[in-house]
Amino acid sequence: SQQGEEDPQALSIQEGENATMNCSYKTSINNLQWYRQNSGRGLVHLILIRSNEREKHSGRLRVTLDTSKKSSSLLITASRAADTASYFCATVPPGNTDKLIFGTGTRLQVFP
Amino acid sequence: ETGVTQSPTHLIKTRGQQVTLRCSSQSGHNTVSWYQQALGQGPQFIFQYYREEENGRGNFPPRFSGLQFPNYSSELNVNALELDDSALYLCASTADTTDTQYFGPGTRLTVL
Repeated sequence: SQQGEEDPQALSIQEGENATMNCSYKTSINNLQWYRQNSGRGLVHLILIRSNEREKHSGRLRVTLDTSKKSSSLLITASRAADTASYFCATVPPGNTDKLIFGTGTRLQVFP
Repeated sequence: ETGVTQSPTHLIKTRGQQVTLRCSSQSGHNTVSWYQQALGQGPQFIFQYYREEENGRGNFPPRFSGLQFPNYSSELNVNALELDDSALYLCASTADTTDTQYFGPGTRLTVL
C-alpha cells in the first residue's frame, strides 16, 4: 500500500512559473526523499531531507518538511519544459531497512 | 545515468509462466531493492537484499523471490504469473554510506 498521498495529482503551468507539490504521509520517518520519473521509466533522485531538518535547497528545488503535520512540499522555481515529469515523494521508516514507501505522485506538465 | 542497468527492457509472458528479471548495480553498492510499479501508481517495495541476504520484504507473496550475487548483480523471480503482475519492475542500488537509492530504467512486464 502507498504511504501517503500527493497533491495535486496533476499540475499544468507555463515555463518560468513556480510549481509546488505537496506530500502527506502516515507513519514516523527516518527521512523523506523526492524523485522524478520521466515517461514511466526509472526514477531519478532529487533531494533527501532528514526527519530533524525543516528545509533544504538544491538548485531550483526547495523542500520543506513538517513532521508534526506529517507533510512535505517540493517547490520547483522558474520551471522549464524539461521539468515535465511525474514527481514522487518517498519516506524511509526508522530501522535498518532502507525501503522507500512512495506516494501516489504528481504529474507536472510545463508548457513552453 | 545512474550506473544501474536492467534487462530485459520489455517482456511479454502468459499467465502461469515464470519470469526472471535482472539488475546490475553500481560497483560497491551492497544493497539492492526491487519495486513494482503498476500503471498510474507509485512504486511498491517488494524486497531488499544486503550482501546476498534478504533484508526486508514488502507485502508480496512468496512466488516473488530474489537473489543477489557477489558481483553486484541480482535477480527477481516471479512464479505462476498472474495478470495483475503486469507492471514496471524497478531495481535500485544503495551504497553503505548513503541513503540515496539509484534506480535502473526498469523492465516492463506484460502478462497475457
